[in-house]
Amino acid sequence: KQEVTQIPAALSVPEGENLVLNCSFTDSAIYNLQWFRQDPGKGLTSLLLIQSSQREQTSGRLNASLDKSSGRSTLYIAASQPGDSATYLCAVWGFGNEKLTFGTGTRLTIIP
Amino acid sequence: NAGVTQTPKFRILKIGQSMTLQCAQDMNHNYMYWYRQDPGMGLKLIYYSVGAGITDKGEVPNGYNVSRSTTEYFPLRLELAAPSQTSVYFCASTLGVNQPQHFGDGTRLSIL
Repeated sequence: KQEVTQIPAALSVPEGENLVLNCSFTDSAIYNLQWFRQDPGKGLTSLLLIQSSQREQTSGRLNASLDKSSGRSTLYIAASQPGDSATYLCAVWGFGNEKLTFGTGTRLTIIP
Repeated sequence: NAGVTQTPKFRILKIGQSMTLQCAQDMNHNYMYWYRQDPGMGLKLIYYSVGAGITDKGEVPNGYNVSRSTTEYFPLRLELAAPSQTSVYFCASTLGVNQPQHFGDGTRLSIL
């Protein structure tokens, strides 16, 4: 059974710093890995999707990498801003599945 | 473009009552999902559908029912509401396996 882990559960960082969020998964047989953002009281918003054949994806200040063989992904946020404060979740779509398996998320706080 | 629309946004039910949570998407997505998110916890999959007329159970289907008569709508039915069903419910959809998943803003449900 696929398990997705995100450590730490919470992270506080001063504004302007670069930071990395971590995601690990137990089964490397995946189609893709997705990173989402969730603001309080809102649904999830898709940030980046990395297909299994790709190593990374970039969108603005966000860069996500995928190392399928080691079961790890990182989300790099450059020059953090208070507006980046949110919970970040990763999820994988495994072979033979018709759904995503989610991690429990990292709650990020950017301190002005 | 409305995306995924959930109604109602908030609801309070008494124990034993029934209700239907509505979900509609206007993106012609084949895959649709219902999740619940308890405070401080991750997403748990209740039911999902890969197309009209096809539904399948997720991790926590007990106490819920779904139907998918059209591509656009995927209602979730709660029968005999119980306090354990107090949660935030999210509907999501995607076009396919290597496409991002889109979420609604959720329905906050309290069972008293």
